[in-house]
Amino acid sequence: KQEVTQIPAALSVPEGENLVLNCSFTDSAIYNLQWFRQDPGKGLTSLLLIQSSQREQTSGRLNASLDKSSGRSTLYIAASQPGDSATYLCAVNPMNSGNTPLVFGKGTRLSVIA
Amino acid sequence: ETGVTQTPRHLVMGMTNKKSLKCEQHLGHNAMYWYKQSAKKPLELMFVYNFKEQTENNSVPSRFSPECPNSSHLFLHLHTLQPEDSALYLCASSQDSAPGYEQYFGPGTRLTVT
Repeated sequence: KQEVTQIPAALSVPEGENLVLNCSFTDSAIYNLQWFRQDPGKGLTSLLLIQSSQREQTSGRLNASLDKSSGRSTLYIAASQPGDSATYLCAVNPMNSGNTPLVFGKGTRLSVIA
Repeated sequence: ETGVTQTPRHLVMGMTNKKSLKCEQHLGHNAMYWYKQSAKKPLELMFVYNFKEQTENNSVPSRFSPECPNSSHLFLHLHTLQPEDSALYLCASSQDSAPGYEQYFGPGTRLTVT
């Protein structure tokens, strides 16, 4: 059964710092991996989607990498801002989980201090 | 209206009430999903519909009853809920429920059962 783990569970950094969020998954048979942002009490906003054949994706200050063979992904945020404060969720689209389209981690709660 | 919308955004109900959550997608997608997000737990898939047909029921108690009258609308009918059912209920849609398609999420309904 596919499991997704995100470390750390919470992170607090000063404004302007570069940071890395980690995601690991137990079964490398995936179609893709997605990073989402969730503000408190709100829905999910998709940030980046990496197909299994890709190594990384970039959007603005965000860069996500994927190492499928080792079951790891990282989300790099450059020059962090207070507006980046949110929970970041990692989810994989597994090949071997029947009709389950996405398996989520518990998220990393990020606080960027001005 | 664009994307995925959900109503109501907040709902408080007693254990003997009957209420319904509504989701609507304006993306021309064929698959729709209900997820439950409880505190400190990963998102849990509840139901999947593809072309109005239910393709997944993830062992959800019968007090939750989904309805999908067409590919654009999805309902979650609630009756005789328990306090532990209090959570954020998220709706999502994708082009198809087959693995590999990106999901788009609504803002969620925050449900409190008293």
